[in-house]
Amino acid sequence: EPEVTQTPSHQVTQMGQEVILRCVPISNHLYFYWYRQILGQKVEFLVSFYNNEISEKSEIFDDQFSVERPDGSNFTLKIRSTKLEDSAMYFCASRRLTSGRANNEQFFGPGTRLTVL
Amino acid sequence: AQKVTQAQTEISVVEKEDVTLDCVYETRDTTYYLFWYKQPPSGELVFLIRRNSFDEQNEISGRYSWNFQKSTSSFNFTITASQVVDSAVYFCALSEAYDTGKLIFGQGTTLQVKP
Repeated sequence: EPEVTQTPSHQVTQMGQEVILRCVPISNHLYFYWYRQILGQKVEFLVSFYNNEISEKSEIFDDQFSVERPDGSNFTLKIRSTKLEDSAMYFCASRRLTSGRANNEQFFGPGTRLTVL
Repeated sequence: AQKVTQAQTEISVVEKEDVTLDCVYETRDTTYYLFWYKQPPSGELVFLIRRNSFDEQNEISGRYSWNFQKSTSSFNFTITASQVVDSAVYFCALSEAYDTGKLIFGQGTTLQVKP
């Protein structure tokens, strides 16, 4: 069964460093998302991506964040200068195109745990 | 504004008991979608069910059942004859139609099923 994959599973970085989190969505999906979950808290939407551009971003997704689909398979989240409060689990998700703009289910990757020291 | 509330932070039951997880949502849209996801201790998010706002039929899948009531803006989830493997955090989520499909999650309910 196709699944969303994410690498690395755990990333440790120093405050101020840049990190890139990688995701490979399910191959026939066209909508892509990043979410984050601070330990013990709820899952929060960061950004949605469709047709090679950001379709929506939350207030969390400030200028330090960027997303890219550099080729036909990868979907990346970059944090330019990490802060302590960026420590969280980051989930990538994807969903397929549907007719009538119905919002079908998103399938999530296993997550990348980012630890900023 | 969109909002999902899961008022139960933690629930603890003994195996074979039935348990209901509550979810209340707020939206201005007449067309929207509701979801439940399971997050086991391993951390991944597993899709369980999707419901659209025009379909108020209750759904049953094995030991799982869902009760959607628009009149009370609730989408509750019941596990019958709970098992230890049901121990997880359960998230209810909302997505508005004609939107980007982003999911707005509730705070989650931690379910512990003791043997």
